[in-house]
Amino acid sequence: GQQLNQSPQSMFIQEGEDVSMNCTSSSIFNTWLWYKQDPGEGPVLLIALYKAGELTSNGRLTAQFGITRKDSFLNISASIPSDVGIYFCAGQSSGGYQKVTFGTGTKLQVIP
Amino acid sequence: DAGVTQSPTHLIKTRGQQVTLRCSPISGHKSVSWYQQVLGQGPQFIFQYYEKEERGRGNFPDRFSARQFPNYSSELNVNALLLGDSALYLCASSFFTDTGELFFGEGSRLTVL
Repeated sequence: GQQLNQSPQSMFIQEGEDVSMNCTSSSIFNTWLWYKQDPGEGPVLLIALYKAGELTSNGRLTAQFGITRKDSFLNISASIPSDVGIYFCAGQSSGGYQKVTFGTGTKLQVIP
Repeated sequence: DAGVTQSPTHLIKTRGQQVTLRCSPISGHKSVSWYQQVLGQGPQFIFQYYEKEERGRGNFPDRFSARQFPNYSSELNVNALLLGDSALYLCASSFFTDTGELFFGEGSRLTVL
């Protein structure tokens, strides 16, 4: 099935550094979302974006819905050890049902 | 408040067997979706149910089926298991039926030998 392309695939950063990750799609989405998954758990929603060009923050997290509606980015500022995990972008199209297409994931490791 | 609960958490089956996975949504959520997550990949959409009716189906064979009960809980059934069905099966619930804001359970880890 289709998956969105995320980059980078993985990254090691020092605690306190800022992080940026991207997601691109060949399809247009009406909603872009970012989820985080910790080992042994299901994904947890971090941010949802509903309008092209929208920039939304949630604490140290900032995400943007690309103007073309085919991309999004997530920034994490001043990383801390609990930011470790796998971050998934996801897109959803309207149409009366709830199919969400997930990206390939970015694995983040924070070095204390 | 209880989150999405799934059972069993882990199970091992052999090829050709059948499996049933169960999910209880967050109280008040009427929409339940199922996703398959193969190791190292993102979740893939299998089904969405809302008010006991199938609202959407992903690109999975007919060996996969699901249903939703009057209390909004759901079951996912997979028949004639293949090695490639080994994965984490995630259930997600939502208050709304057409947004991407999903609340996931911890999943059922299926291993097919």
